[in-house]
Amino acid sequence: GAVVSQHPSWVICKSGTSVKIECRSLDFQATTMFWYRQFPKQSLMLMATSNEGSKATYEQGVEKDKFLINHASLTLSTLTVTSAHPEDSSFYICSARDHRGLAGAEQYFGPGTRLTVT
Amino acid sequence: GQNIDQPTEMTATEGAIVQINCTYQTSGFNGLFWYQQHAGEAPTFLSYNVLDGLEEKGRFSSFLSRSKGYSYLLLKELQMKDSASYLCAVMDSNYQLIWGAGTKLIIKP
Repeated sequence: GAVVSQHPSWVICKSGTSVKIECRSLDFQATTMFWYRQFPKQSLMLMATSNEGSKATYEQGVEKDKFLINHASLTLSTLTVTSAHPEDSSFYICSARDHRGLAGAEQYFGPGTRLTVT
Repeated sequence: GQNIDQPTEMTATEGAIVQINCTYQTSGFNGLFWYQQHAGEAPTFLSYNVLDGLEEKGRFSSFLSRSKGYSYLLLKELQMKDSASYLCAVMDSNYQLIWGAGTKLIIKP
């Protein structure tokens, strides 16, 4: 089956620093990747859609200058949280769309990255 | 607007059957997904329905009625490990997933 990895799985950083999270599709090419954020006991919230070779599409209310997304290859997308603050502490999850299955519809999720900003 | 509704929490007994309902109103429809999410982990895919009817996969089955904007996930022979949140998501006309808030399922011995 399709596998998506994320790195790191957890990170603690100081307020004001930047953190980069990597999302990789290991055994398939993903032209589209998605970044989600999930606060405790809440549902997934889509932050942005990342398309290989083009600019990401951000959801309303998500600051594109704060959450930098780069999708440089068909297997790698990165999310950089710039000048992180404690309110950015959350569970960040990426997913990748596998065009081989379910008529191009199914998304496979990475294991998530738990970010804590102190 | 787009909306996905599912119960916030349900409780069931080990070995029993539970049905988790999901109703939706979206701009277009390209399929409905059910995902399972254990606490602190990412969601894992359970099922996909794009045509009306029942899809059975082992202990789990998923049903869809497009005319009613309704789906359910049926879990049989419940096990303690089935305690998790179950997320209903609909893919709209732009192939974007619209997520429900999830149903927390608590299994009691």
